[in-house]
Amino acid sequence: QVQLVQSGAEVKKPGASVKVSCKVSGYTLTELSMHWVRQAPGKGLEWMGGFDPEDGETIYAQKFQGRVTMTEDTSTDTAYMELSSLRSEDTAVYYCATGPLDLWYFDLWGRGTLVTVSS
Amino acid sequence: EIVLTQSPATLSLSPGERATLSCRASQSVSSYLAWYQQKPGQAPRLLIYDASNRATGIPARFSGSGSGTDFTLTISSLEPEDFAVYYCQQRSNWPPFMYTFGQGTKLEIK
Repeated sequence: QVQLVQSGAEVKKPGASVKVSCKVSGYTLTELSMHWVRQAPGKGLEWMGGFDPEDGETIYAQKFQGRVTMTEDTSTDTAYMELSSLRSEDTAVYYCATGPLDLWYFDLWGRGTLVTVSS
Repeated sequence: EIVLTQSPATLSLSPGERATLSCRASQSVSSYLAWYQQKPGQAPRLLIYDASNRATGIPARFSGSGSGTDFTLTISSLEPEDFAVYYCQQRSNWPPFMYTFGQGTKLEIK
């Protein structure tokens, strides 16, 4: 059974960084194209970035360029999303979402990690 | 950036009725269009991919159509569990492959 297990909720102060993890089970990370999507309270879904298997690079939404870093540890099949210079508007649930390398859509999602930014 | 506009923002219907949700792209996305359902406190669930293909385990009452810039999600006869928020999503046709979501349509019980 394929699962994405995310790390627990975080509370951070403005200006700090947060690193959210997403562990894959039932697949290896190298078989998947991992993406990150966030959802502010009461708002819609927002794609932050993800792995592009066509060129082997991670692509970031322009809005988050320079502030987000997505990495993978293939030895533990764990993906990470680090967001820096946090502000209150970054308070949101952060989801990892994925699908097989040869497919573009997200047929598997983690349960989400709530990140609260508050002084 | 390709913008997806969903309409209506809220749709009020009764169980058994037919629901028609629209998603319009600011430029052609070919058939790189997916639909997701999200219930409160849950992660989104993939319903439709490539504009018209049902994902594994999705009931036949859900169908998708369209190509280019205009897409539709139809639920033929609403069940109580279908009341939720629905999002469309696109991937750009050419690299770098960027993704965007529509703002969502809330399907509520009338």
